[in-house]
Amino acid sequence: DAGITQSPRHKVTETGTPVTLRCHQTENHRYMYWYRQDPGHGLRLIHYSYGVKDTDKGEVSDGYSVSRSKTEDFLLTLESATSSQTSVYFCAISSDEGGHNEQFFGPGTRLTVL
Amino acid sequence: GNSVTQMEGPVTLSEEAFLTINCTYTATGYPSLFWYVQYPGEGLQLLLKATKADDKGSNKGFEATYRKETTSFHLEKGSVQVSDSAVYFCALSPNTGGFKTIFGAGTRLFVKA
Repeated sequence: DAGITQSPRHKVTETGTPVTLRCHQTENHRYMYWYRQDPGHGLRLIHYSYGVKDTDKGEVSDGYSVSRSKTEDFLLTLESATSSQTSVYFCAISSDEGGHNEQFFGPGTRLTVL
Repeated sequence: GNSVTQMEGPVTLSEEAFLTINCTYTATGYPSLFWYVQYPGEGLQLLLKATKADDKGSNKGFEATYRKETTSFHLEKGSVQVSDSAVYFCALSPNTGGFKTIFGAGTRLFVKA
């Protein structure tokens, strides 16, 4: 299994509070991604990173920010959590070896915003 | 643009039945194609892949063939088991310098004993 962990695995927070989710990898892969998974919407890309300090927006980036100061860590921050951000969040990694972009996923973080 | 369409679920089958989950795609060039599986409470994991036309990906009894003429990558298994109950995602990755993956909406499979 690819070495990818997420923390926390579960979190309950209140509307308006900041929340940071952490993704940590031990594979030295270049690319890292944050997705959210909601019933009826499948997987939606929030932000991604193509290197240290190199990040870009995905399709549902409003209300989220990210940072990548080290190859192994990719942080997702909800500056002021809202109930619409209740979801399961998945981190994924991939390398550009072979050009086929197979992704490896973390176990997910279940976030509830009350 | 690039997109993936897969059959809506849920799909309910009896154990040992034949499984087909349809997937079609739209892409420029020659993307790589994937099937991912998500078991309850877990993240997605790669089930199989095919990187060029007419390739057949296979794993754990599942198969899918990259059909460029029909832009399809249907997932099949000859005899499903209860343990195959999961959500299956078809996906593509463009091989034109991009590194993002486009996922289908997912198809939930229930297998009854």
